[in-house]
Amino acid sequence: DTGVSQNPRHKITKRGQNVTFRCDPISEHNRLYWYRQTLGQGPEFLTYFQNEAQLEKSRLLSDRFSAERPKGSFSTLEIQRTEQGDSAMYLCASSLSHGFEKLFFGSGTQLSVL
Amino acid sequence: DQQVKQNSPSLSVQEGRISILNCDYTNSMFDYFLWYKKYPAEGPTFLISISSIKDKNEDGRFTVFLNKSAKHLSLHIVPSQPGDSAVYFCAARDAGGTSYGKLTFGQGTILTVHP
Repeated sequence: DTGVSQNPRHKITKRGQNVTFRCDPISEHNRLYWYRQTLGQGPEFLTYFQNEAQLEKSRLLSDRFSAERPKGSFSTLEIQRTEQGDSAMYLCASSLSHGFEKLFFGSGTQLSVL
Repeated sequence: DQQVKQNSPSLSVQEGRISILNCDYTNSMFDYFLWYKKYPAEGPTFLISISSIKDKNEDGRFTVFLNKSAKHLSLHIVPSQPGDSAVYFCAARDAGGTSYGKLTFGQGTILTVHP
């Protein structure tokens, strides 16, 4: 069990560019979540997958955001035409899906849009 | 609208004393509450949880109390240790939600435990 891995740890980009983040969950976990955290706030739910199916998306996830989880393993979160307001920490978490789901978070990807 | 609020941005306590972190919520549909701890440069780590059908849950030095009528919960850490210094997040799950993993978080409280 190596934990939830996120890459890259930091990403600096210019406004208007596209960025993609990757999350590798704990191998036996079939649920995967994306959260976003801005300074001074708690994490905010963006979306989650059960296996490869994306089951729920937050209203925060505008049409510039897309998430995938091919084959129910790793996941990617892409932001197109980045805006300065997208600057945040993007957290990935995974869990099993029986009973209470204890989320295991990765260390996050810090995005800075200049 | 902030459905989960942690009104104290920071708390400072002496080692060995009790730390009490508070959390208020507004959504009556929340049925499960959790506390997460976060160290710098790391993701949040699950600490303790409580179902809405209970009013207390204890795990070692950590106890969570839930007052449903007041829509208030608190985390007690006794005794506090310097290693407890971190940001603590209160989180809640909506009973109408599709997953226990879809949580609403508070803003966090920075706890500093002085030796």
